[in-house]
Amino acid sequence: SYELTQPPSVSVSPGQTVSIPCSGDKLGNEYAYWYQQKPGQSPVLVIYQGTKRPSGIPERFSGSNSGNTATLTISGTQAMDEADYYCQAWDTSTHAVFGGGTKLTVL
Amino acid sequence: EVQLVESGGGLVQPGGSLRLSCAASGFTFNSYSMNWVRQAPGKGLEWVSYITSTSNTIYYADSVKGRFTISRDNAKNSLYLQMNSLRAEDTALYYCARESQYCSSTSCYSLFDYWGQGTLVTVSS
Repeated sequence: SYELTQPPSVSVSPGQTVSIPCSGDKLGNEYAYWYQQKPGQSPVLVIYQGTKRPSGIPERFSGSNSGNTATLTISGTQAMDEADYYCQAWDTSTHAVFGGGTKLTVL
Repeated sequence: EVQLVESGGGLVQPGGSLRLSCAASGFTFNSYSMNWVRQAPGKGLEWVSYITSTSNTIYYADSVKGRFTISRDNAKNSLYLQMNSLRAEDTALYYCARESQYCSSTSCYSLFDYWGQGTLVTVSS
């Protein structure tokens, strides 16, 4: 089955830049989508089609792709960005697949 | 305002059954595909099932295939998940999520743009 791999956790100091990678065999041909989930809340889309931000998502959130790895980057990280982040892709055999999630800690 | 409100969760014994519901409002329900996504306690998101707007295409994750059945009633603006032969590993918060599709002249893409708050299913003796 198709899998997306993320690091379990990353940390960053306030105001710094942090990147969260997501690797998967099909990401070279498929876009990645990124969701933010804060404790006790439902997921919120922050990046779609690899690089695009929905309205209302701050410009400090950006996405990129290189080969089989998609990356979510947060520039000028704020305390409010502390959350779990999930990458997601579409798969013709399973429909949708999520990465295991990355817990972002803002120290 | 788009709203998705799940219900029907609870405590059930292994091997038991449960039916989840998702009441939709604030949008034209019969124009959208819908999904169920679950999250075990302290774990990540797992896609469970998908149904098109007309119910003509349905997909399931391998982990629930043959045990769960997704359905919808467009007249009632409702999405359902019938869960049978429940196992301890089905314990999770179950979200319904709207899937929106956007098309250009060359391609289409989909995304989960609205999620409910979830309903908790606990499978335990």
